[in-house]
Amino acid sequence: QKEVEQNSGPLSVPEGAIASLNCTYSDRGSQSFFWYRQYSGKSPELIMFIYSNGDKEDGRFTAQLNKASQYVSLLIRDSQPSDSATYLCAVVDIGGSGGSNYKLTFGKGTLLTVNP
Amino acid sequence: EPEVTQTPSHQVTQMGQEVILRCVPISNHLYFYWYRQILGQKVEFLVSFYNNEISEKSEIFDDQFSVERPDGSNFTLKIRSTKLEDSAMYFCAVRTGSRHYGYTFGSGTRLTVV
Repeated sequence: QKEVEQNSGPLSVPEGAIASLNCTYSDRGSQSFFWYRQYSGKSPELIMFIYSNGDKEDGRFTAQLNKASQYVSLLIRDSQPSDSATYLCAVVDIGGSGGSNYKLTFGKGTLLTVNP
Repeated sequence: EPEVTQTPSHQVTQMGQEVILRCVPISNHLYFYWYRQILGQKVEFLVSFYNNEISEKSEIFDDQFSVERPDGSNFTLKIRSTKLEDSAMYFCAVRTGSRHYGYTFGSGTRLTVV
């Protein structure tokens, strides 16, 4: 059973601070990793994807991947109250049928609260 | 403007009734998925669909569930005889190509079985 683990939180940070969200995964063969943001009652919204070791920056967001440690993280700089949401880590699972599938396995998500 | 529209946004149905959830992708997507999320739990994979057939299905996707893309546009999930435990948010997701570039989720349908 392939697992994706996240600290459920809640993680509370003051406005303007850096929020750090972490995720570990069990399948060493995993290749692609995604961070989704989900507001309450809404659908997941893709923030970033990463598939190479190291850092990837996009605006206020930085994804970090360490395949040796099976660890992926998301940093949010200058956190805003509008960033308050649940952040979902997801890993691509090739699946039993091979190349046409690539389904996502999600963690439970970390609830982030940014306090004004 | 959402790239993937789902209808209805909310459906209440009685236990044992059939429901059909619809997904209307706007762009020319190749790969289609259904996921569900029970309140307070993780997003779970149900089924993947490519080239007009099921690629993979999870243990959740039993004989009560079916999917089809009847007109080359709408992608539907049918639950033949709903149970209380089918109450959840159901999300359609689409992917155009490379597995590296993520999946776009639809707006979701909240299904409540009473």
